[in-house]
Amino acid sequence: EVHLLESGGGLVQPGGSLRLSCAASAFTFSNYAMSWVRQAPGKGLEWVSALSSSGGATYYAESVKGRFTISRDNSKSLLYLQMNSLRVEDTATYYCAKASLSSSWYISFDYWGQGTLVTVSP
Amino acid sequence: QSALTQPPSASGSPGQSVTISCSGTSSDVGAYDYVSWYQHHPVKAPKLMIFEVSKRPSGVPNRFSGSKSGNTASLTVSGLQADDEADYYCSSYAGNNNLVFGGGTKLTVL
Repeated sequence: EVHLLESGGGLVQPGGSLRLSCAASAFTFSNYAMSWVRQAPGKGLEWVSALSSSGGATYYAESVKGRFTISRDNSKSLLYLQMNSLRVEDTATYYCAKASLSSSWYISFDYWGQGTLVTVSP
Repeated sequence: QSALTQPPSASGSPGQSVTISCSGTSSDVGAYDYVSWYQHHPVKAPKLMIFEVSKRPSGVPNRFSGSKSGNTASLTVSGLQADDEADYYCSSYAGNNNLVFGGGTKLTVL
């Protein structure tokens, strides 16, 4: 069974940094694009960033462009999200999600992790 | 404010059908057949229920169906069961490598 496990969340002050990780298992990680999606408390889902299967192409929501960096290590089946210049409004549960198709990252996400909570507060 | 508009709540009795709408624009829902629906039980991982407007992943009951008309997509849950009670989110590709979600609909089984 495909499994995605996020880690690295926690409490950080505004302006600080945090790196999230997502460990993937039970599928050929290097064949699929991956994404990060977040959910602020009491709010809906928001796509944050996506990364092609090779890691050569990255995509970001306007709200995080220039502050967040997505990357992956296909040899270790790991996905990362480096978050810099964090703001209070970045407070959310962050989910990693696997693309359903190997050909495109945006069609749908067929597996998600259970999320890791990031709290940005003074 | 979410890019796609969903009703905050929907409800139905066991065995009944309920439809949840997802309203977008001609730049997202109306432009692409890349609408997905996700079921999210609290404290669990979201689950893909519908992709490409109306396709069901293997393992999803055929009680769940999707459709689209113009700029509005819909998810219909037939034969409501207690376990269907969850939050449901729609998403759509919006072009220019951007993906948008709806604000979510809390489905209550009465």
